Amino acid sequence: DVKVTQSSRYLVKRTGEKVFLECVQDMDHENMFWYRQDPGLGLRLIYFSYDVKMKEKGDIPEGYSVSREKKERFSLILESASTNQTSMYLCASSLPGATRYEQYFGPGTRLTVT
Amino acid sequence: QQQVKQSPQSLIVQKGGISIINCAYENTAFDYFPWYQQFPGKGPALLIAIRPDVSEKKEGRFTISFNKSAKQFSLHIMDSQPGDSATYFCAALETSGSRLTFGEGTQLTVNP
Repeated sequence: DVKVTQSSRYLVKRTGEKVFLECVQDMDHENMFWYRQDPGLGLRLIYFSYDVKMKEKGDIPEGYSVSREKKERFSLILESASTNQTSMYLCASSLPGATRYEQYFGPGTRLTVT
Repeated sequence: QQQVKQSPQSLIVQKGGISIINCAYENTAFDYFPWYQQFPGKGPALLIAIRPDVSEKKEGRFTISFNKSAKQFSLHIMDSQPGDSATYFCAALETSGSRLTFGEGTQLTVNP
């Protein structure tokens, strides 16, 4: 079974803090993704990576950065957290090729910025 | 910027009824159209997917209908059960990469 784990289920941070969200997958997937989920807006792609040390901006990258130093780990960084970054953050991974439409998601991190 | 539009936002169905969720897309450079199911406290999980050269795909009680000319596709859940209560997302896979564009989501409640 593919397993995608995220470092925290719930996180409360103060405005201006630097926040690290960690994601680890155990199936040797090349592709990794970070989304945020907000009611009525669906899943919006923040950043993604197709390989180690590679990153691409998604649809809403402003205020975020990412790091992928190892194949299994993809980190999302909020350099200076703001209240509008309060959201559910979901990490996902997938294989390239014919089955790349199947992404495996972690359970999510509910981030609250006060 | 949303290229996949999903409706309705919420849906309430009686047990045994048919649940229908609709999606429309704008960009033609999509390769596959998956549906994801998300239960409370969990991440989304792939439910069923269809290629654009197929008009219908059925897996158990779940059916995707695809209309390429209208750029629309829909999920039908036959004999809906309370255990189907979840949030459903349609998505579209880009042709040239591995990015999925998701719809806004539909919260389905099936009453017993």
